[in-house]
Amino acid sequence: QKEVEQDPGPLSVPEGAIVSLNCTYSNSAFQYFMWYRQYSRKGPELLMYTYSSGNKEDGRFTAQVDKSSKYISLFIRDSQPSDSATYLCAMSVRQTGANNLFFGTGTRLTVIP
Amino acid sequence: NAGVTQTPKFRVLKTGQSMTLLCAQDMNHEYMYWYRQDPGMGLRLIHYSVGEGTTAKGEVPDGYNVSRLKKQNFLLGLESAAPSQTSVYFCASSYGGGGEQYFGPGTRLTVT
Repeated sequence: QKEVEQDPGPLSVPEGAIVSLNCTYSNSAFQYFMWYRQYSRKGPELLMYTYSSGNKEDGRFTAQVDKSSKYISLFIRDSQPSDSATYLCAMSVRQTGANNLFFGTGTRLTVIP
Repeated sequence: NAGVTQTPKFRVLKTGQSMTLLCAQDMNHEYMYWYRQDPGMGLRLIHYSVGEGTTAKGEVPDGYNVSRLKKQNFLLGLESAAPSQTSVYFCASSYGGGGEQYFGPGTRLTVT
């Protein structure tokens, strides 16, 4: 069993829809939870970062963490064609001097105009 | 401010050949990382460095070596390339060793 599980999709939605992306994890030692966005043939870029259970909002994006259920979500409101990308969840645990990241496999999202 | 850059962008190797991938960052970050990304496997950590002159193994270190002789550079070496090392390689850096990592554009490597 992988430490981080993510539905690979693909997910296709019309412009303006609310998108829900999810990950589950098995390691209760994970302390920090992130969402990265990766456009085709580019490197991932950090979208959201949180370290506690609950919700964190940034513009059209909301990250939700439920540590008791080992479940994290990313919601995108009023989705735009420019949101079309692969979304990677990531979680970190302290290992030999660094908080190393464990990534999900990514969910590919397409927003149709 | 270029951020994180990687050289080369593409490379094709024959089995048994060697090569070095170069990562450079201009953000004065202490921590640097090398990942590989494969379909269905996600990003996996190969090696990382918590400062100049230090290196440590990640999740999938076999077949790779690294060096961090200068703070701004992190080199990934393949001594004897194998087809299983065909992948996209990403370098990343971070200031404080937390989750906020900045990624380079990637190197696409094919080993035939």
